[in-house]
Amino acid sequence: NAGVTQTPKFQVLKTGQSMTLQCAQDMNHNSMYWYRQDPGMGLRLIYYSASEGTTDKGEVPNGYNVSRLNKREFSLRLESAAPSQTSVYFCAVRQAEQFFGPGTRLTVL
Amino acid sequence: GNSVTQMEGPVTLSEEAFLTINCTYTATGYPSLFWYVQYPGEGLQLLLKATKADDKGSNKGFEATYRKETTSFHLEKGSVQVSDSAVYFCALSVLYNQGGKLIFGQGTELSVKP
Repeated sequence: NAGVTQTPKFQVLKTGQSMTLQCAQDMNHNSMYWYRQDPGMGLRLIYYSASEGTTDKGEVPNGYNVSRLNKREFSLRLESAAPSQTSVYFCAVRQAEQFFGPGTRLTVL
Repeated sequence: GNSVTQMEGPVTLSEEAFLTINCTYTATGYPSLFWYVQYPGEGLQLLLKATKADDKGSNKGFEATYRKETTSFHLEKGSVQVSDSAVYFCALSVLYNQGGKLIFGQGTELSVKP
């Protein structure tokens, strides 16, 4: 029972490159979330998915896309990375309270 | 809109000192309140929660009481340990608002010295 897993743990990109952050859960929760964590700003919601096949924008969706193809997996895609997207990204799932993955530390040069 | 404000860090304490981290919130509706803790290099873990006014959440010696009259949810611990060194986040969630998303304060870094 791994809970919430994220891959990769670390990534360095050049400006303009694309990549997908993966999140998977074995907790059988409907709701999944992507947050970014920046110094002094707490965590901010990028996108969320209330159930399989549905996604909605959060506070800071620009520059990102998401995909919820099944109940277990919720991916976050950066089509053309920018230095402003350097951050730590957390996936979370929710029942009564949210459970977080270990995070992906992304640096965009 | 909904928001959370926490006292700024870093906070440095000696072992066995008393800890208070202030948290106040603004919310429409009836929020649930949470404290999350993040240890270095790790994700966030739920520390405690309260779902209605006057509820007290507690865990691992930490406590926080949901005060609707002062819109506060201050975190306290009577005697901190070195192992409590971490970043603490206050958060709120309003059911039916964007899927029950969490709104976080900016985090307070706690460093406990032996």
